[in-house]
Amino acid sequence: DTEVTQTPKHLVMGMTNKKSLKCEQHMGHRAMYWYKQKAKKPPELMFVYSYEKLSINESVPSRFSPECPNSSLLNLHLHALQPEDSALYLCASSQVAVTDTQYFGPGTRLTVL
Amino acid sequence: RKEVEQDPGPFNVPEGATVAFNCTYSNSASQSFFWYRQDCRKEPKLLMSVYSSGNEDGRFTAQLNRASQYISLLIRDSKLSDSATYLCVVNALYNFNKFYFGSGTKLNVKP
Repeated sequence: DTEVTQTPKHLVMGMTNKKSLKCEQHMGHRAMYWYKQKAKKPPELMFVYSYEKLSINESVPSRFSPECPNSSLLNLHLHALQPEDSALYLCASSQVAVTDTQYFGPGTRLTVL
Repeated sequence: RKEVEQDPGPFNVPEGATVAFNCTYSNSASQSFFWYRQDCRKEPKLLMSVYSSGNEDGRFTAQLNRASQYISLLIRDSKLSDSATYLCVVNALYNFNKFYFGSGTKLNVKP
């Protein structure tokens, strides 16, 4: 099973709302990732968790707050977003191994009004 | 200089054609290499890992040239369903297991 699941599939929120994106994997992967992808661009890394600890934060604004409650779950808490934050948010997971592959979830399409 | 560079295309080819994409990477310490396929408004999906000896999966062949720091993807007998964006991805375990993405190459296969 190489499945990464994400909820919700679509999210529309106002600039004053607080919402959360969720990601889950049961492949035993110990690295989990959040990416942001705008149209016609490659995925842009936001955060990496390795063994449930935040290992990379790519200078993401604090209105995005990641959380890794356990090795299978990854959340992204959203607060006071801007319209330019509208994008496809992808979660991915991999083993922490040099040859391992990264698997992506289907993404959450976020629209900020 | 970007870690991974690809020609964005688009490559417009007729059905049945053979098409090749190249991708260069800047860090000689890079360890693992992948091609992903991404359809419009969908997530990237692994197409192939790329091994030093080269590898083939049906109509797809991937090659790695460490000396010149590039990887390639060859698609033979193109199908309409091959139309997608192909992302070159390099794993950088030297940098906390970070994956570096190329900008993607758009392929349009025409009838």
